[in-house]
Amino acid sequence: QQQVKQSPQSLIVQKGGISIINCAYENTAFDYFPWYQQFPGKGPALLIAIRPDVSEKKEGRFTISFNKSAKQFSLHIMDSQPGDSATYFCAALKAAGNKLTFGGGTRVLVKP
Amino acid sequence: DTGVSQDPRHKITKRGQNVTFRCDPISEHNRLYWYRQTLGQGPEFLTYFQNEAQLEKSRLLSDRFSAERPKGSFSTLEIQRTEQGDSAMYLCASSPLDTQYFGPGTRLTVL
Repeated sequence: QQQVKQSPQSLIVQKGGISIINCAYENTAFDYFPWYQQFPGKGPALLIAIRPDVSEKKEGRFTISFNKSAKQFSLHIMDSQPGDSATYFCAALKAAGNKLTFGGGTRVLVKP
Repeated sequence: DTGVSQDPRHKITKRGQNVTFRCDPISEHNRLYWYRQTLGQGPEFLTYFQNEAQLEKSRLLSDRFSAERPKGSFSTLEIQRTEQGDSAMYLCASSPLDTQYFGPGTRLTVL
């Protein structure tokens, strides 16, 4: 059972454009939602995270939008750069839980 | 470097051999996790330690897999009688509470 669904699987964006990745979850017990960036052959690196008591969080060029009623959240990468080309994973953690449940990943390619 | 470290970074082994991986978490983190990631997929949870106690194991962790964290610091993951299906990236993460920080992973190839 895929508890966190992520889309699209891949996207191509021009340098300077906006990358948007969407995730939907099923379990309302999730209460912590991080996004990770992963380069080939490397471990996932935490980008930004949000809790359901806020609707938006921004850190630099990265913004998470959160819709609790729809059980959806998204990552926006503003002014996308070629160095942002990587695979992005959304994830969810239950309250006082012990494991992250990951989405399937989105491969982003930023063209110069 | 004060991040999570893993050793080795790459391991090639023949089917049926045993392998052991090590993870050194961020020093003040009492929680340690193992995940497995296959190509093109998100990481999947394997097991979790709080200090030296192993508190949760996934159904993915068959009886060929064992993990330890003897003194609540570093952890080891052993796979006995490796199979080709064990080929994957094995990731370790540590956290003080919710936020998990991942190491670089150990890439296992079973021939």
